[in-house]
Amino acid sequence: GNSVTQMEGPVTLSEEAFLTINCTYTATGYPSLFWYVQYPGEGLQLLLKATKADDKGSNKGFEATYRKETTSFHLEKGSVQVSDSAVYFCALSDAGGTSYGKLTFGQGTILTVHP
Amino acid sequence: NAGVTQTPKFQVLKTGQSMTLQCAQDMNHNSMYWYRQDPGMGLRLIYYSASEGTTDKGEVPNGYNVSRLNKREFSLRLESAAPSQTSVYFCASSHPYQETQYFGPGTRLLVL
Repeated sequence: GNSVTQMEGPVTLSEEAFLTINCTYTATGYPSLFWYVQYPGEGLQLLLKATKADDKGSNKGFEATYRKETTSFHLEKGSVQVSDSAVYFCALSDAGGTSYGKLTFGQGTILTVHP
Repeated sequence: NAGVTQTPKFQVLKTGQSMTLQCAQDMNHNSMYWYRQDPGMGLRLIYYSASEGTTDKGEVPNGYNVSRLNKREFSLRLESAAPSQTSVYFCASSHPYQETQYFGPGTRLLVL
């Protein structure tokens, strides 16, 4: 079956530091890959996504590249802010071109950014 | 446009009690989902509904039932709550052929 593995957390950084959160996956077929973010007390929001190999998703200064050869989708940001403190989830979708898709999530990585 | 709404926000139950978690979306999405979130385990799919009139089991369906009341509403029922069902429950929806799911704010459930 499908699975997603994220780097262990929590991650604590100072403002303006470089961020990497590792994500690797196991899947049959050609899944789409996602990063969702959950701010304290809220539901999940889509941060970025990539639907095929070598695609780069980007949003709000965050980037991730779909690497089929290493089955990875690592999240990066060049300079984090205090407002980036949240839980980040890597996920994959098995829609495969059908009308709906189930998401498989990683365990989440807590990011705390200090001033 | 409220997106995905969930009620209640927080609930405390005693073991053996029943309750229904409500979810509604106003985005005209066909597909709806129920997840539970537990520390260190990410989100796990309980049930989903690909379209009105259909429901299917996800990864962790035991102890739960669902009803797709109409295109907008998808409820999750706990018939006899157990402490192992203490969790945060999220409802989500998605448009056909668009894989992005939109999440509600969650329901925090405590079973004593």
